Amino acid sequence: QKEVEQNSGPLSVPEGAIASLNCTYSDRGSQSFFWYRQYSGKSPELIMSIYSNGDKEDGRFTAQLNKASQYVSLLIRDSQPSDSATYLCAVNISNTGGFKTIFGAGTRLFVKA
Amino acid sequence: GAVVSQHPSWVICKSGTSVKIECRSLDFQATTMFWYRQFPKQSLMLMATSNEGSKATYEQGVEKDKFLINHASLTLSTLTVTSAHPEDSSFYICSARRTGRSNEQFFGPGTRLTVL
Repeated sequence: QKEVEQNSGPLSVPEGAIASLNCTYSDRGSQSFFWYRQYSGKSPELIMSIYSNGDKEDGRFTAQLNKASQYVSLLIRDSQPSDSATYLCAVNISNTGGFKTIFGAGTRLFVKA
Repeated sequence: GAVVSQHPSWVICKSGTSVKIECRSLDFQATTMFWYRQFPKQSLMLMATSNEGSKATYEQGVEKDKFLINHASLTLSTLTVTSAHPEDSSFYICSARRTGRSNEQFFGPGTRLTVL
């Protein structure tokens, strides 16, 4: 089992719809979770971080965390064509001497105009 | 805040030469920086973790003698690709971890390396 798993997609949604991106992780002790957006040919950009169970909202983005089920999700409301990108889920996992950040392979999102 | 720069943004070199890539955290201190490589349409691959004042920790399969990492200060890490070959052509991205509760990583814009 991979440490951080995401559906590779592509996920296609019409403009204005809600895009739902999911991620599961294997380390039960993980405490920090992140969502990054990566446009083609560019480096990843941090869009959300979440540390506690429940929802965290920032503009059109909502991150949801359920530690008992070991999943974290990202909802994008009122999706725009400019949201078309690859979304990377990242989780801090325990490591010798501290922790390291593990990235999922990413989910490609297409928002159709 | 939390800006990370990389230089150069792109480089073309001949096979057998060495290339140095710089990664700087501009407005925060980063005791830990990371170097990633990404091939077209593939996911990020962590190459090594760079710790200020100590040796880098390399991921399995990454040759430490080929990819030299130096983390000379709390704001600068360098990656040198030695004796580059065409198969080293890739998108190299650094990130810096902002220490504290959040432990968020912020990425540089990346360096596209093409080895002829």
